[in-house]
Amino acid sequence: DIQMTQSPASLSVSVGETVTITCRASENIYSNLAWYQQKQGKSPQLLVYAATNLADGVPSRFSGSGSGTQYSLKINSLQSEDFGSYYCQHFWGTPWTFGGGTKLEIK
Amino acid sequence: QIQLVQSGPELKKPGETVKISCKASGYTFTNYGMNWVKQAPGKGLKWMGWINTYTGEPTYADDFKGRFAFSLETSASTAYLQINNLKNEDMATYFCARGGNYFDYWGQGTTLTVSS
Repeated sequence: DIQMTQSPASLSVSVGETVTITCRASENIYSNLAWYQQKQGKSPQLLVYAATNLADGVPSRFSGSGSGTQYSLKINSLQSEDFGSYYCQHFWGTPWTFGGGTKLEIK
Repeated sequence: QIQLVQSGPELKKPGETVKISCKASGYTFTNYGMNWVKQAPGKGLKWMGWINTYTGEPTYADDFKGRFAFSLETSASTAYLQINNLKNEDMATYFCARGGNYFDYWGQGTTLTVSS
């Protein structure tokens, strides 16, 4: 099974800052990666699919990059509504494992 | 608009059975797979498996083989998750999610409490 190692586990940042969250796969996943945002008590929402494609309605301050085993989600000029938890998930063969998550908090 | 609406919260005793539903609307049900995701209290997301809504074939992640069953009522555009012989560690929120290369629509989640 492919393992997804996400870092950092938590992050305390201020509005307006830029944040990068990374996900490392235990083997090449050929860009078959999605990123989700989850707010407390809510369902996850798709942000990025196929490593670099922004989902419909997602603000352009979000961007995904990476290839092979290393992937990143970058959030430019953080807004108050961006705080919550973020998860990566691979889709290169089942099980479609999630990363452990990154909790983004207000400083 | 596309929606996945799940059944309400459940309170069960250890050893009992629960069946959670996920009703889809706004798209052709059999065109997209349906996934189930577990989130234990304060923890991350765990993919449980998926069901091919066209063939009805389920695929289970290793940790969810045995007591867990995915099923469909295609005529009602509804997917089901059944958990048999409930254990304390099954206490969690369960989400259904549409998709196969990414999950673009999610249900609101069903909270399962297991307590004697």
